[in-house]
Amino acid sequence: EPEVTQTPSHQVTQMGQEVILRCVPISNHLYFYWYRQILGQKVEFLVSFYNNEISEKSEIFDDQFSVERPDGSNFTLKIRSTKLEDSAMYFCASSKAQGAGYGYTFGSGTRLTVV
Amino acid sequence: GQQLNQSPQSMFIQEGEDVSMNCTSSSIFNTWLWYKQDPGEGPVLLIALYKAGELTSNGRLTAQFGITRKDSFLNISASIPSDVGIYFCAGLSIFGNEKLTFGTGTRLTIIP
Repeated sequence: EPEVTQTPSHQVTQMGQEVILRCVPISNHLYFYWYRQILGQKVEFLVSFYNNEISEKSEIFDDQFSVERPDGSNFTLKIRSTKLEDSAMYFCASSKAQGAGYGYTFGSGTRLTVV
Repeated sequence: GQQLNQSPQSMFIQEGEDVSMNCTSSSIFNTWLWYKQDPGEGPVLLIALYKAGELTSNGRLTAQFGITRKDSFLNISASIPSDVGIYFCAGLSIFGNEKLTFGTGTRLTIIP
């Protein structure tokens, strides 16, 4: 079964450093997303990306965050200057078409720890 | 913003028992999804609901999309040890965007 692949599985970084989280969405999917889950809390939407541009972003997704699809397969989330409160699981997801449920699939996540 | 409240927050049941959890919202959704999350893993889709009133089954799981489009429930029959985990409902709004709003989660524990 097709999977969304995320790397690394765990990243530890010092406060103020830049991090890039990487994702390989399912190959025929057109919509890409990043979500965040702080330990013990619910999953929160960060950003959606379609046709090489951001289609929607949440209040969490401030100027410190950016996304990119540098080639035909990777989808990245960059945090420019990490803060302690950025520590969380970050999930990438992709879907085939507009409207969740059309194969809206999540990766296994990257656990980001900011120290 | 949109809020999804799930209940109960946690459940402790014995193997073989049936489980019922629900999700309510202050807003209308046009798609409801139920996910299961194991520790250290991403959410895995269990059931997707697309129409108000729809009742859908996936093995021992049954979910319904409420008539008002503001609620949904998930039932698990004859629970087994691998059902342990956190169950999240998630909704897609009627405004045509693609973001999911997740519920607060129900943690299911099976007592041996």
